[in-house]
Amino acid sequence: NAGVTQTPKFQVLKTGQSMTLQCAQDMNHNSMYWYRQDPGMGLRLIYYSASEGTTDKGEVPNGYNVSRLNKREFSLRLESAAPSQTSVYFCASSQRTGGTEAFFGQGTRLTVV
Amino acid sequence: GEDVEQSLFLSVREGDSSVINCTYTDSSSTYLYWYKQEPGAGLQLLTYIFSNMDMKQDQRLTVLLNKKDKHLSLRIADTQTGDSAIYFCAETLGANNLFFGTGTRLTVIP
Repeated sequence: NAGVTQTPKFQVLKTGQSMTLQCAQDMNHNSMYWYRQDPGMGLRLIYYSASEGTTDKGEVPNGYNVSRLNKREFSLRLESAAPSQTSVYFCASSQRTGGTEAFFGQGTRLTVV
Repeated sequence: GEDVEQSLFLSVREGDSSVINCTYTDSSSTYLYWYKQEPGAGLQLLTYIFSNMDMKQDQRLTVLLNKKDKHLSLRIADTQTGDSAIYFCAETLGANNLFFGTGTRLTVIP
């Protein structure tokens, strides 16, 4: 059982480049999330999708877009990467939003130079 | 979120108890959680407590909740080197999201 799978695991971008982080879950969960993790700041929610076909902004959505492609997949796009977006990105899923266990992917370490 | 506060570091000797503390923001939070992150990995749920409980025990883990002070703690008995990790408390706000604390890096000294 793979759980939550993120690709790639590592990425280096130049300022201004674009890229998409991919996330897929095989647990038939309704809700999916993207977080970024920065030292001393914990995890901050970028975007979430409560169910297939819906997406909503989290705490720090600026500079990002998301697509809930189907129930399994939730991608995060950086249209024009900036050094401030250097971070570790985590995708997570849960059966529903609020009050249930969230399962996390292994993370993507992104460096923008 | 920045309003869920934790100390950044904790060191304990192997065999001692560890107590990790957290203050959270919203007295209406329904669930409060403890997640563990090992190096190079994502977060895994350790335990959670429903807001109408004061205490929950699960093997070596004890969670205490003080709703009046909005204070949550995680006690790990007989701490082992394998417990070295970052521990995050988290709360649910409304029906939507998990908000995480800054994380406490626990180092267990052999």
